[in-house]
Amino acid sequence: GEDVEQSLFLSVREGDSSVINCTYTDSSSTYLYWYKQEPGAGLQLLTYIFSNMDMKQDQRLTVLLNKKDKHLSLRIADTQTGDSAIYFCAESKRDNTDKLIFGTGTRLQVFP
Amino acid sequence: EPEVTQTPSHQVTQMGQEVILRCVPISNHLYFYWYRQILGQKVEFLVSFYNNEISEKSEIFDDQFSVERPDGSNFTLKIRSTKLEDSAMYFCASTGGLNTEAFFGQGTRLTVV
Repeated sequence: GEDVEQSLFLSVREGDSSVINCTYTDSSSTYLYWYKQEPGAGLQLLTYIFSNMDMKQDQRLTVLLNKKDKHLSLRIADTQTGDSAIYFCAESKRDNTDKLIFGTGTRLQVFP
Repeated sequence: EPEVTQTPSHQVTQMGQEVILRCVPISNHLYFYWYRQILGQKVEFLVSFYNNEISEKSEIFDDQFSVERPDGSNFTLKIRSTKLEDSAMYFCASTGGLNTEAFFGQGTRLTVV
């Protein structure tokens, strides 16, 4: 089946690290993505990880993938108020369409 | 940087009317998608399009929906007879190939009244 779950809300203090978690059910997923959506805006790709990797770092962002537990996380170091947004994880499979299955989204609120 | 553009940004329509949402994918991309996000909910796949035909569609994409690539640059989503529950943000996306990054447009907010 295809189901991607996330916690709905996360609140952190500016300067702290944020960790947003995601679980997925389809073990055949090949790529896993993190998208950011600011209020009233579109979807911005933040980063992605291929399923044969277990970690990827890109500046303040660190993605961890645990394939055994089908768990994906996004860590944002030194969280800023501009990071306040909704974060969606998404998975895609190696099939003939490459459609994305999105999670429920986590609203990150950063307070000073 | 290349981008996917969508028009209009916001459309208000009366129930029962037809709407056409327009998208201009990135010029050398081959795979095109429509997604929908009802307010406060997750982003849902509607349809994928490749080589001038639908390659996959979801349960949401019923007979009221259709897609077209009329002129090699635009990619449109038509809803024939809109219902209140069609109110949502509609996102267009395109990719250059399978297992490559999907670029999303800024979305069209459709409000059916």
